[in-house]
Amino acid sequence: EDKVVQSPLSLVVHEGDTVTLNCSYEVTNFRSLLWYKQEKKAPTFLFMLTSSGIEKKSGRLSSILDKKELFSILNITATQTGDSAVYLCAVGMNYGGSQGNLIFGKGTKLSVKP
Amino acid sequence: KAGVTQTPRYLIKTRGQQVTLSCSPISGHRSVSWYQQTPGQGLQFLFEYFSETQRNKGNFPGRFSGRQFSNSRSEMNVSTLELGDSALYLCASSLSAGGLGEQFFGPGTRLTVL
Repeated sequence: EDKVVQSPLSLVVHEGDTVTLNCSYEVTNFRSLLWYKQEKKAPTFLFMLTSSGIEKKSGRLSSILDKKELFSILNITATQTGDSAVYLCAVGMNYGGSQGNLIFGKGTKLSVKP
Repeated sequence: KAGVTQTPRYLIKTRGQQVTLSCSPISGHRSVSWYQQTPGQGLQFLFEYFSETQRNKGNFPGRFSGRQFSNSRSEMNVSTLELGDSALYLCASSLSAGGLGEQFFGPGTRLTVL
C-alpha cells in the first residue's frame, strides 16, 4: 500500500530556533510532493515539488525533494509563534486508486514557544 | 478570486440521520476531492470528481456518496450516520484531475454525530 510518513509527530521549539520536518514516502506513480500548513482550519498550500535537488523557498520556509531516497524536508528558520501549526506532507500520484491521487502523512505538530 | 467554500460550516446530527454537505470550488477548477479528517486517522480520501464523473473512491462504506454538478459544485451525502462519522470534512479543488497540481482546501464542515 502507498504510504507517506512524517517525522517527528510533534516538536516544541523556542522562537528563533530553526526546525527541520521530514517526510518519506513509498508510492507508485509518483508525480509530486506537496507541503501544507494547517492551523485551526483548512490546510493552506506551501510548496509543490516535482524535481529532485531543487530548493523551493518562501521567506523563512524552504523545502527540497530527494526522489532517489524518497524523502523531502521542510525547513523553517528563525521560527515565530505564528509558525505553530500542523505541517502536512502529501504525495500526488498519477492514479491513486482507492487512496486517492493525494496521499497525506499524519502531520507534524509544531509548537513555537515565546 | 474567491476560494473554495463549504456549507454548512458546523452540523450536529443524531445517529441514523443523513446529512448533505456542499462544496463550491474555485472558479475554473473542475476537480473536487473530498476528505475526512479525524485526530486518529488524519486526512483520508473519500472521492474525487472531475467534470461530473467520479474518478476515484476511497475505502469508505456505501453510506458515503457524492456527486458533481455541471457548474463543478459538489455535494457529498452520508446516510445512516454513526458516531464514528464525527469528523471535519474537507473538500479541495484543483484545475486538473489526479495528482497534477496543488489542491486548494475549503474551510471544512465540522460534523458531530450524537
